[in-house]
Amino acid sequence: KQEVTQIPAALSVPEGENLVLNCSFTDSAIYNLQWFRQDPGKGLTSLLLIQSSQREQTSGRLNASLDKSSGRSTLYIAASQPGDSATYLCAVQTGANNLFFGTGTRLTVIP
Amino acid sequence: GAVVSQHPSRVICKSGTSVKIECRSLDFQATTMFWYRQFPKQSLMLMATSNEGSKATYEQGVEKDKFLINHASLTLSTLTVTSAHPEDSSFYICSAWTGAGPNYGYTFGSGTRLTVV
Repeated sequence: KQEVTQIPAALSVPEGENLVLNCSFTDSAIYNLQWFRQDPGKGLTSLLLIQSSQREQTSGRLNASLDKSSGRSTLYIAASQPGDSATYLCAVQTGANNLFFGTGTRLTVIP
Repeated sequence: GAVVSQHPSRVICKSGTSVKIECRSLDFQATTMFWYRQFPKQSLMLMATSNEGSKATYEQGVEKDKFLINHASLTLSTLTVTSAHPEDSSFYICSAWTGAGPNYGYTFGSGTRLTVV
């Protein structure tokens, strides 16, 4: 069974700093990997989706990479802002309807 | 872009009563929707897959008679928590696969906070 792990569980950084969130998965046979943001008590907002054949995706200050063979993905956030404070979840899709979530990294950006 | 609307956002009910949560795809058709439950400080756990016009598929350990799912149209799936108990208090989120196009991927609703007293 696919297991998704996110490290660290929590992270606090001062505003303006660049940071990296990590996601690892045990089964490399994935369709894609998606990064989400979740604000407290809210649903999920999709940030980036990387197909299994891709190595990275970029959107604004966000860059996500995927190394499928090693079962790793990173989410890079440049020039962090207080509004980036949220929990970041990665999820891998292994089948038509199988989406496995990590436990998330709770990010706090300190003004 | 693809939007999934979920209502209500919060509900408080008495133990023993039933609660219905709606999940609508606003600008696309979703033959399949997914229902997740999230306990505090934990990740999302898939409860069931809702299929339009057919029975839902439940994950192991999820009681199908307690969590009734109806997917009567291509844009609406409902989850009914029957005879709710305090241990059913949780955050419920639905999602749908948006398929091809610029919004490719899973889109999630805003979630429903259920509190059973």
